[in-house]
Amino acid sequence: AQKVTQAQTEISVVEKEDVTLDCVYETRDTTYYLFWYKQPPSGELVFLIRRNSFDEQNEISGRYSWNFQKSTSSFNFTITASQVVDSAVYFCALVIQGAQKLVFGQGTRLTINP
Amino acid sequence: KAGVTQTPRYLIKTRGQQVTLSCSPISGHRSVSWYQQTPGQGLQFLFEYFSETQRNKGNFPGRFSGRQFSNSRSEMNVSTLELGDSALYLCASSLSGATYSPLHFGNGTRLTVT
Repeated sequence: AQKVTQAQTEISVVEKEDVTLDCVYETRDTTYYLFWYKQPPSGELVFLIRRNSFDEQNEISGRYSWNFQKSTSSFNFTITASQVVDSAVYFCALVIQGAQKLVFGQGTRLTINP
Repeated sequence: KAGVTQTPRYLIKTRGQQVTLSCSPISGHRSVSWYQQTPGQGLQFLFEYFSETQRNKGNFPGRFSGRQFSNSRSEMNVSTLELGDSALYLCASSLSGATYSPLHFGNGTRLTVT
């Protein structure tokens, strides 16, 4: 069975601080995909990034960066110089090859205070 | 291009009633998935349809059903509503329905069962 754990239920920081959201996953499959989604107050989940199990390259997109480490089964997400607009609930998710269903973590509610 | 549209946005129903939720995917997207989001259980997969065929189903009772039409629009139905069915129901679409395809979510239908 697959499982995603986001141990941080809530994080609150002051604007411009850097913040890292942790994600640990479990699967016995060798081919899988990891995702991060953002859920603003409006409700819809917004896709941020996808990583496959064979690509451990870290990725940077503007103020966002992702660190994928298979050795620790982690796929962490860092926001540099956080802004109030980054306030949302962030979800890490896993899908194994051949399945069309995402297994989500419980989410981390991130609050950026001005 | 219009996003995923879910109707209605809010619903209030009484225990024992049934309800139908509607989802219009992004134009050209052939896969539609449904997820239930509750504070206690988080985001849970309900089912996924591709070209009018249900390909995957989550661990929900038979009271939860769905279908997809030839224009890719989808509906989900919940019969004999229970208090525990109160949740945000999210619909998502993807272009190809492949495992690695990011999902595009709608704003959800918030169902309250009293």
